Amino acid sequence: SQTIHQWPATLVQPVGSPLSLECTVEGTSNPNLYWYRQAAGRGLQLLFYSVGIGQISSEVPQNLSASRPQDRQFILSSKKLLLSDSGFYLCAWRVGAGVLDTQYFGPGTRLTVL
Amino acid sequence: GNSVTQMEGPVTLSEEAFLTINCTYTATGYPSLFWYVQYPGEGLQLLLKATKADDKGSNKGFEATYRKETTSFHLEKGSVQVSDSAVYFCALKGSSYGQNFVFGPGTRLSVLP
Repeated sequence: SQTIHQWPATLVQPVGSPLSLECTVEGTSNPNLYWYRQAAGRGLQLLFYSVGIGQISSEVPQNLSASRPQDRQFILSSKKLLLSDSGFYLCAWRVGAGVLDTQYFGPGTRLTVL
Repeated sequence: GNSVTQMEGPVTLSEEAFLTINCTYTATGYPSLFWYVQYPGEGLQLLLKATKADDKGSNKGFEATYRKETTSFHLEKGSVQVSDSAVYFCALKGSSYGQNFVFGPGTRLSVLP
């Protein structure tokens, strides 16, 4: 069965420090991968998505970047964190076509920027 | 573009009460519709889905019917439990190739014993 992992689960970082969040998927090949951010008490904001290795689409211009170095690995990065980067970061994967097309989410990473 | 509208929360119910969370959508063609649930501190879990008009998705006592004529996909449960306290997200996937999922803002449900 397919599973999705996110690392770390919780992170506290000072303003101006770098960031690297990792997402890995098991049990599937060539998934579409997504990064979302959820501010406290808010809905989902799509940040990036990827349809294949090295292919990244950005939905919101900001100081974050994403990379997909391997088929089942998706990384979210920042060179210098801002206070506004605090939130709950969710990785998601999507496979299937037509009526089977469904999106599944990882457990999330809670990021607090101080 | 495609969009999803959900009733604003929070919704507070007593245990064993009937639950309805409204969801309406705007989309061309025949989108697939989904309900996701997010328990505190966790990611979103797929609760149920429906892929064509008049389909009923159901899971864990929850159900929702795809109503094309009213562009709605309301979530219902006959008797809620304290453990159902969570945030519920309605979502759609457009029928055109390559479209991303579109999520509603979420509705927080609190069930009191």
